[in-house]
Amino acid sequence: SQKIEQNSEALNIQEGKTATLTCNYTNYSPAYLQWYRQDPGRGPVFLLLIRENEKEKRKERLKVTFDTTLKQSLFHITASQPADSATYLCALGAQGNNRLAFGKGNQVVVIP
Amino acid sequence: DTGVSQDPRHKITKRGQNVTFRCDPISEHNRLYWYRQTLGQGPEFLTYFQNEAQLEKSRLLSDRFSAERPKGSFSTLEIQRTEQGDSAMYLCASTSDRGRLIGTEAFFGQGTRLTVV
Repeated sequence: SQKIEQNSEALNIQEGKTATLTCNYTNYSPAYLQWYRQDPGRGPVFLLLIRENEKEKRKERLKVTFDTTLKQSLFHITASQPADSATYLCALGAQGNNRLAFGKGNQVVVIP
Repeated sequence: DTGVSQDPRHKITKRGQNVTFRCDPISEHNRLYWYRQTLGQGPEFLTYFQNEAQLEKSRLLSDRFSAERPKGSFSTLEIQRTEQGDSAMYLCASTSDRGRLIGTEAFFGQGTRLTVV
């Protein structure tokens, strides 16, 4: 069966450092992968999209990589700030529809 | 506010009662999705509409659940004879496929938190 795995342990990181999150998947051939941010009690907010033929995408302090051979995506927050504290979700999508399959999310806590 | 709107934000109901949630997507978006999220989990797909047509339903969507999008604009999700296991956050999202890009971003509402007691 399809599995999307994110680290269940919260990532505690000092302000200013780079936070790196991992999303691994099995039994899935996504056409694209997205990362979302979710704050408690709120809906997810889109951050970045990367397609299967792309290796890396950047947006401001965010960077995502996508390795379809390893079946893995890495999500980086550089120069992290306390306001970056949230849960980050990876989501995979298949060709032909926009339905998303989400991981459980990984909490990031940025310590001032 | 031109984002996705969901109503109500919170609903507490007794087991066995029916509940209905509403979602107003971004007006120019033709695709609308319902997801369910429980504590510590990611959102799980329930169903989606392209315009007024319901194109896919998850196996999670038992026969107690029904969703409609009568005019291709707002959508409702009804749960009949609620059970405690239905307690969750119900999220609505909308996207547009008019640009025919693969994997356009989904815009989520703030969700409806359902508690069945």
